[in-house]
Amino acid sequence: EVQLVESGGGLVQPGGSLRLSCAASGFTFRNYWMDWVRQAPGKGLEWVTNINQDGSETYHVDSVKGRFTIFRDNAENLLYLQMNSLRAEDTAVYYCSGSLDLWGRGTLVTVSS
Amino acid sequence: DIQMTQSPSSLSASVGDRVTITCRASQGIRNDLSWLQQTPGKAPKGLIYGTSNLQSGVPSRFSGSGSGTEFTLTISSLQPEDFATYYCLQYNSYPRTFGQGTKVEIK
Repeated sequence: EVQLVESGGGLVQPGGSLRLSCAASGFTFRNYWMDWVRQAPGKGLEWVTNINQDGSETYHVDSVKGRFTIFRDNAENLLYLQMNSLRAEDTAVYYCSGSLDLWGRGTLVTVSS
Repeated sequence: DIQMTQSPSSLSASVGDRVTITCRASQGIRNDLSWLQQTPGKAPKGLIYGTSNLQSGVPSRFSGSGSGTEFTLTISSLQPEDFATYYCLQYNSYPRTFGQGTKVEIK
């Protein structure tokens, strides 16, 4: 069974940092592009960033460039999102996705003082 | 950035109805379009990729068509479990962009 399980969300103050993790199982993780997609409360889906199979290519939406970093560990089947300089508008459920076909259940990040 | 415009933003329909949702891209995206379904409080679920290819396990009442800038998702006979929000997604260029969603509600 394909599983993507996110963790690491929580409440953080503006300007703070958080690292999200996504544990993958049930498919060949190293063969997939991996994405992070977020959904603000009551809003639609927003693509955030992705990474290629060996971690040599990454892309980001403009609003997170210079603040968020995606990386992966293919030996451990783990995907990460390092989020720095967090803002209130980063508050959302963050979903881990395999090539935008496979989806985790998400982890909530709340940025508030 | 490519803008994806879905219509309608919401609709009311009955079980057994045929439902069509449209997605328009601000520029050509070939066939690089997916459709996703999301029920409240749940993660998105992929339905269709490459405009018209069903994901594994997706019922055949779902179908997709189109190319270039105009795309449609059709549910041939709406079932109770289909009441959800549907999103289109283009993956032709960066940043990937979603439509704003179409909420399908029970009439």
